[in-house]
Amino acid sequence: ETGVTQTPRHLVMGMTNKKSLKCEQHLGHNAMYWYKQSAKKPLELMFVYNFKEQTENNSVPSRFSPECPNSSHLFLHLHTLQPEDSALYLCASSPTSTGQISPEAFFGQGTRLTVV
Amino acid sequence: DAKTTQPNSMESNEEEPVHLPCNHSTISGTDYIHWYRQLPSQGPEYVIHGLTSNVNNRMASLAIAEDRKSSTLILHRATLRDAAVYYCILRDPLSGSARQLTFGSGTQLTVLP
Repeated sequence: ETGVTQTPRHLVMGMTNKKSLKCEQHLGHNAMYWYKQSAKKPLELMFVYNFKEQTENNSVPSRFSPECPNSSHLFLHLHTLQPEDSALYLCASSPTSTGQISPEAFFGQGTRLTVV
Repeated sequence: DAKTTQPNSMESNEEEPVHLPCNHSTISGTDYIHWYRQLPSQGPEYVIHGLTSNVNNRMASLAIAEDRKSSTLILHRATLRDAAVYYCILRDPLSGSARQLTFGSGTQLTVLP
């Protein structure tokens, strides 16, 4: 138990569906992240939020839409996905890092997404 | 960004020590060396981090070369539960990109019974 909770753990969706992934942490962290991990590939950073503001978007297609309503919650809204978007989606959080000595990041267990 | 180089895979026998190497020849003076590991079907978990001195915690030890161009994660007695992908990552807390926490391919550690 890392303190970062992701729901659902597994999701199967059609290419025309709209779904959302949820991430929640009550660790008092101000930075939250979405990562994508495809089979046999390294983790790819998708989005970074710091104090609810998006600070990084690593060229992610617009069919992935993040939302951070507060520092404890992070969503990833999905629409018109493709089969190649099937992957493990991981959420992480960490204390605000700039100026602080290397804080560790805590990861959720991920959502295994299958697009059919 | 400073990069790290790790072997793709390593094997160890159960109950024996494991030394996982990482090269980071372009490390800057303000980069911290972090290690994470990812167990099967789980998200990565923090293992240890250090700047210049060797570090110990309940999970592992981190040995950092004097010139900081390489480091070694040491698992003192490998167990089957230590089988995972181990990532060596550099982070500069003074950098605006410090929050990015970029992962490479890591080292797949197999522990043999």
